[in-house]
Amino acid sequence: GAVVSQHPSWVICKSGTSVKIECRSLDFQATTMFWYRQFPKQSLMLMATSNEGSKATYEQGVEKDKFLINHASLTLSTLTVTSAHPEDSSFYICSVRGGAGNEQFFGPGTRLTVL
Amino acid sequence: GEDVEQSLFLSVREGDSSVINCTYTDSSSTYLYWYKQEPGAGLQLLTYIFSNMDMKQDQRLTVLLNKKDKHLSLRIADTQTGDSAIYFCAEIGGSARQLTFGSGTQLTVLP
Repeated sequence: GAVVSQHPSWVICKSGTSVKIECRSLDFQATTMFWYRQFPKQSLMLMATSNEGSKATYEQGVEKDKFLINHASLTLSTLTVTSAHPEDSSFYICSVRGGAGNEQFFGPGTRLTVL
Repeated sequence: GEDVEQSLFLSVREGDSSVINCTYTDSSSTYLYWYKQEPGAGLQLLTYIFSNMDMKQDQRLTVLLNKKDKHLSLRIADTQTGDSAIYFCAEIGGSARQLTFGSGTQLTVLP
C-alpha cells in the first residue's frame, strides 16, 4: 500500500501561534488527500478533502480560515492551524486514497498540544 | 447520514480467536475496511472486502460480510498480545467521497 508520512510527529505550542503540519505521500501520487482529527478515545472525524492544485473541500462545521490546507503537489499537502487555542489540541491524521480496493492509507498522525 | 456501529470493548485470552463485529446502514456500500490503531499511531489498513464478496481470508484474518443484514465481522485467529489495539470498521458507498468510520473496538488480549 501507499506509504504516508507526517511531520512533525508531535508539537507543543503556545496559544495564539500557528502550526503547520506536513503530509507526504512517499510512493504514490495523490491527487486527493484527506485530513482527519481524532480526540482521545474517539473515532476519526473528517475535516477536509485536499485537492491538488485547487481549493480544499471542508466538512460542515470546520472553519476554513482556521485550518488552512495547501495541496501544492501530488506528494505534499499541508494543514496549518492558525491562532491555535487549547481546544485545537488533538491528533491530526492525513490519508491518501488509491489502489484496486479504493483503499485509504493513513499517516502516523501528529499530536498537537496547545498550551 | 450513514452510520457504522461497533461494540466498544472486547477482551480475549491469548491464543483464542477474537471476533469484532460491525453493522452499517449504507445500502450502497461498495467497499468495507478494517483498520488497526495502536496507541499514539495512525491507522493501519488490515484488510478490505468488496461488497459482492461474502468472505475474505488473509493469514490469521477472516472477514465475513452479510450484506442482507449489513453486518461485517473480523475474526483474528490465535490472538496474540501484539493484537491489542483499537480496530475500526469503515465503509464507503457508491457516490460517497469519504469513509464512514465506526467508533472503534478496543481489543485487549489477556495472557
